[in-house]
Amino acid sequence: DIVMTQTPLSSPVTLGQPASISCRSSQSLAHSDGNTYLSWLQQRPGQPPRVLIYKISKRFSGVPDRFSGSGAGTDFTLKISRVEAEDVAIYYCMQGTQFPFTFGGGTKVEIK
Amino acid sequence: QVQLVQSGAEVKKPGASVTVSCKASGYTFAIYGINWVRQAPGQGLEWMGWISPYNGNTHYPQKLQGRVTMTTDTSTSTAYMELKSLRSDDTALYYCARDRSGDETFDYWGQGTLVTVSS
Repeated sequence: DIVMTQTPLSSPVTLGQPASISCRSSQSLAHSDGNTYLSWLQQRPGQPPRVLIYKISKRFSGVPDRFSGSGAGTDFTLKISRVEAEDVAIYYCMQGTQFPFTFGGGTKVEIK
Repeated sequence: QVQLVQSGAEVKKPGASVTVSCKASGYTFAIYGINWVRQAPGQGLEWMGWISPYNGNTHYPQKLQGRVTMTTDTSTSTAYMELKSLRSDDTALYYCARDRSGDETFDYWGQGTLVTVSS
C-alpha cells in the first residue's frame, strides 16, 4: 500500500498570512496513463470532507484561487496564499493512483 | 444538483453486522463509482472500498476483505455498505463519496452515518 505522510501535524497561521502543507508518498504517484492522482481535501469541523484540488494542481469547481497545489512524483504541496477564518480545518492529501486509495494523516490549520 | 443522502445512525453490539445506505440523486448513478470512507472519533480518514454501479466491480483494502461487502441498486440509485463481525474499533462516521471517474478523486460526499459498536 502507498503510505501518505503529511507535515506539519498542525499549522498555526496569522489571518492574511500564507500556509503551506507538505505531503510525501512512499512511492511515485505517476500513473501509467500519464496522470498523477493526488488530491487535497478540506474537512471543516463537523462537516464531511470536500475536495479542493485534484490531479496535483487542478482546483475543483467553486474553490477559491487562494488554494493551489503543486508537486510531482512523491512530493506535493498545498498552499493557501492568504489564510481566512473559514480556512480553519483539517487538510488531507489522498492518492487515487493505485488501489487501495490512501490518505495522509491530516494537517490542522488554525488561527494564531 | 448532485446529492448523496445516507441512512441514519446505528448502534450495534460486537459481532453484529451493519448496513449503511447512500441514495444518490442529480446525476446518472450507473456511470460514477462510489467509495466508502470511515473516520473514527478524532481520527483521520480511512478508505474502505469502491464499487462500480455499472457492473458491480469492487475493490476492498486487504484489512477489510471478508468483512465488508458493497453493493448497489441501480433501480433506486442507492449504494450499500455492509460491515460484519463488528468490533468496538469499527465505531466511526461512515461516508459514501462519488468517484469522479478519470480524475480519481471524490467530488461529492454524503453527510455521514455514525455507527457505534458497544456492548
